[in-house]
Amino acid sequence: DGGITQSPKYLFRKEGQNVTLSCEQNLNHDAMYWYRQDPGQGLRLIYYSQIVNDFQKGDIAEGYSVSREKKESFPLTVTSAQKNPTAFYLCASRSPGQGLYGYTFGSGTRLTVV
Amino acid sequence: DAKTTQPTSMDCAEGRAANLPCNHSTISGNEYVYWYRQIHSQGPQYIIHGLKNNETNEMASLIITEDRKSSTLILPHATLRDTAVYYCIVRENYGGSQGNLIFGKGTKLSVKP
Repeated sequence: DGGITQSPKYLFRKEGQNVTLSCEQNLNHDAMYWYRQDPGQGLRLIYYSQIVNDFQKGDIAEGYSVSREKKESFPLTVTSAQKNPTAFYLCASRSPGQGLYGYTFGSGTRLTVV
Repeated sequence: DAKTTQPTSMDCAEGRAANLPCNHSTISGNEYVYWYRQIHSQGPQYIIHGLKNNETNEMASLIITEDRKSSTLILPHATLRDTAVYYCIVRENYGGSQGNLIFGKGTKLSVKP
């Protein structure tokens, strides 16, 4: 079955360390997205990519970096510059043939800084 | 982008209809109303969307007022599995790979036995 796989499901990071969250999709979607969710809050857009080798900052890109070398993969690196990285991170993709109703989300990675 | 206002939380009895309101008084003519929901610790799931006509699918119905300044998502027979946060989002229906969803805090719907 096609879908989006995020790994790991839970991740612990020491302060000052960089960590990379994986997002892989086999839906042949061009657009991919990273969102951050804090407890009791909605989702906030970190970065998005509309095509391979291209990506744009979202509303809260500071302290994060991404790459889009392959259509299937859109990893997110949480750097030491991100002051409050503990959150639930969601990856999504969308087919260009569909409007904003065509989002598919992964099951998320919960990052905790210890 | 038009902003939306939703109640923070609502309760519904199992088997009854759940009616979730959304105000979007600044919506523009080319903006759609989308509804997504997020079950605890999972990614959001698309429910339904519409422009000005009422819409129905296997999951829900969407009623949009004639002036388009508000809408209501209706789950006709709520089950315990419908307990989730429901997001009302107003955006243009971008084609291609353009555009992205902007989420507010949504409505926490609790379906009770």
